[in-house]
Amino acid sequence: QKEVEQDPGPLSVPEGAIVSLNCTYSNSAFQYFMWYRQYSRKGPELLMYTYSSGNKEDGRFTAQVDKSSKYISLFIRDSQPSDSATYLCAFPGYSGNTPLVFGKGTRLSVIA
Amino acid sequence: EPEVTQTPSHQVTQMGQEVILRCVPISNHLYFYWYRQILGQKVEFLVSFYNNEISEKSEIFDDQFSVERPDGSNFTLKIRSTKLEDSAMYFCASYRDRGQDTQYFGPGTRLTVL
Repeated sequence: QKEVEQDPGPLSVPEGAIVSLNCTYSNSAFQYFMWYRQYSRKGPELLMYTYSSGNKEDGRFTAQVDKSSKYISLFIRDSQPSDSATYLCAFPGYSGNTPLVFGKGTRLSVIA
Repeated sequence: EPEVTQTPSHQVTQMGQEVILRCVPISNHLYFYWYRQILGQKVEFLVSFYNNEISEKSEIFDDQFSVERPDGSNFTLKIRSTKLEDSAMYFCASYRDRGQDTQYFGPGTRLTVL
């Protein structure tokens, strides 16, 4: 079983749609949960960060964590063409300074 | 807003040549990292560096790789004898070490080995 599984897509949605991106993980030691956004040929940039089960909201973005199922989600409301990017889930080990384990990334296209 | 910078943005080299990739981490950060991303694949951890020494490395980081912090601001990754399979985007990241923070990534150096 892979440590992190993420559907690579591509996912194509119309502008204004609600987008749901998901990752599953197998390592119970993961305590922090992150979503990074990566535009083509750029470095990953942090989008959302949480360390507990439940929801965390930031503007149009909501991160959801279910530790019991080892499942995390990122929801994007009212998606915009500027949201077109690859979304990576990432997990540090037991603290934020440990190496990040990334999912493969889901490529999202929002069509105007 | 402070950011991680990397130079060069693109490096082309011949197989067997040595390359040095440079990074300037965020100034008050204490941990430094190199990751790489082969085209179409996931971002993979190479090495972390703290207190002037390697704190962790992956199996990818073999003897042909080395890292150095030659002064108070730069952090370098050296590949001694490049192979075709070293072609990838190399990302530097840094981390502050204060509470709930995360690693901040540079824009990357695209390394092409011919």
